[in-house]
Amino acid sequence: GQNIDQPTEMTATEGAIVQINCTYQTSGFNGLFWYQQHAGEAPTFLSYNVLDGLEEKGRFSSFLSRSKGYSYLLLKELQMKDSASYLCAVLDSNYQLIWGAGTKLIIKP
Amino acid sequence: ETGVTQTPRHLVMGMTNKKSLKCEQHLGHNAMYWYKQSAKKPLELMFVYSLEERVENNSVPSRFSPECPNSSHLFLHLHTLQPEDSALYLCASSQDWAGTPSYEQYFGPGTRLTVT
Repeated sequence: GQNIDQPTEMTATEGAIVQINCTYQTSGFNGLFWYQQHAGEAPTFLSYNVLDGLEEKGRFSSFLSRSKGYSYLLLKELQMKDSASYLCAVLDSNYQLIWGAGTKLIIKP
Repeated sequence: ETGVTQTPRHLVMGMTNKKSLKCEQHLGHNAMYWYKQSAKKPLELMFVYSLEERVENNSVPSRFSPECPNSSHLFLHLHTLQPEDSALYLCASSQDWAGTPSYEQYFGPGTRLTVT
């Protein structure tokens, strides 16, 4: 079966750095997405990785290793507004999106 | 209005009721999706429409009936639901259907459905 694993919940301190991991086992791979979802709101696109390596976008970076079936989202200089759930999703060989259950990130002052 | 809108935002219905959820996208996209989001579970894809034709139906019970009258509007008709159907129902759109790579989905705010 296809599976996406990510931690259920993480806690970090304002101003610090946090890394949210995502591992996947899917039938094929055509890219990996990270979405952010604030409580009661719609998920919004953060990043897309299809090649190995690190993609940096401001305070957020996303890393991919296809050989390890692994990705992480790195958030720097954490702000209170970063408190949200972070969803990992993989496009499989049929270009179907397989979603993880999301990681709830709690930022403390 | 911009982006993807959904109405109503909250809905409480009894198991014998019939109601409809509405989604509208103002992005000129060709594909629209219905998802079910339950607490601590992955997003479940329910239906996909591409150019107003249903292209995906992931074994969803018949008590959920989608309708896509045009590329900007998507409905989810509900009847004789069960308490376990209580969840957040999200609508999304993308430029093209999931059959193409590198696509990004734009989500609406969702309808919080409670079945009593």
